[in-house]
Amino acid sequence: EAGVTQFPSHSVIEKGQTVTLRCDPISGHDNLYWYRRVMGKEIKFLLHFVKESKQDESGMPNNRFLAERTGGTYSTLKVQPAELEDSGVYFCASREIGGIEQFFGPGTRLTVL
Amino acid sequence: DQQVKQNSPSLSVQEGRISILNCDYTNSMFDYFLWYKKYPAEGPTFLISISSIKDKNEDGRFTVFLNKSAKHLSLHIVPSQPGDSAVYFCAAITGTASKLTFGTGTRLQVTL
Repeated sequence: EAGVTQFPSHSVIEKGQTVTLRCDPISGHDNLYWYRRVMGKEIKFLLHFVKESKQDESGMPNNRFLAERTGGTYSTLKVQPAELEDSGVYFCASREIGGIEQFFGPGTRLTVL
Repeated sequence: DQQVKQNSPSLSVQEGRISILNCDYTNSMFDYFLWYKKYPAEGPTFLISISSIKDKNEDGRFTVFLNKSAKHLSLHIVPSQPGDSAVYFCAAITGTASKLTFGTGTRLQVTL
């Protein structure tokens, strides 16, 4: 069974540009989460989807971040326009209904110059 | 306000000995606690969890202890192996559906 996949693995962009990150959860997992780790600090929650609906987006830093999960399968996280402080590693995780464990993808390392 | 804290950024242990990683929390509403292991350039990998109604959970070489009155949990690895060298994150959740709240991680180095 394939795990959580993320694309790209690494993105380097200039301040003011737009970047879109993609996450493909484990097949059948209705719950999808986005997290971010900045400068080696703790991994922080961004938002949670249940199927295509946003269940909790309390961790989204500001309106430059837009997450979607059309059709309840893969999800995208767009940053527009990117700022220097958006640099970090963005993780996606998925979880099956009734489970506790969240399965993480390898992350996308975003560098904003 | 950091609700989950790992006060030791790093730990070095000799192969074959016990590794003890500690975690403190402030939110008494947490229902589950989880430990994740992370290698460089990879995502966190689930290790073991414990419900807030338990005080111990064991899985092979890994045991997690929970002391609710002290709001403290620890992960014991016995015996430690070089492949255990990684960053270990303590995390907590309120209810089964919610977000994980992570600590800052402890880097474990198991030496030969």
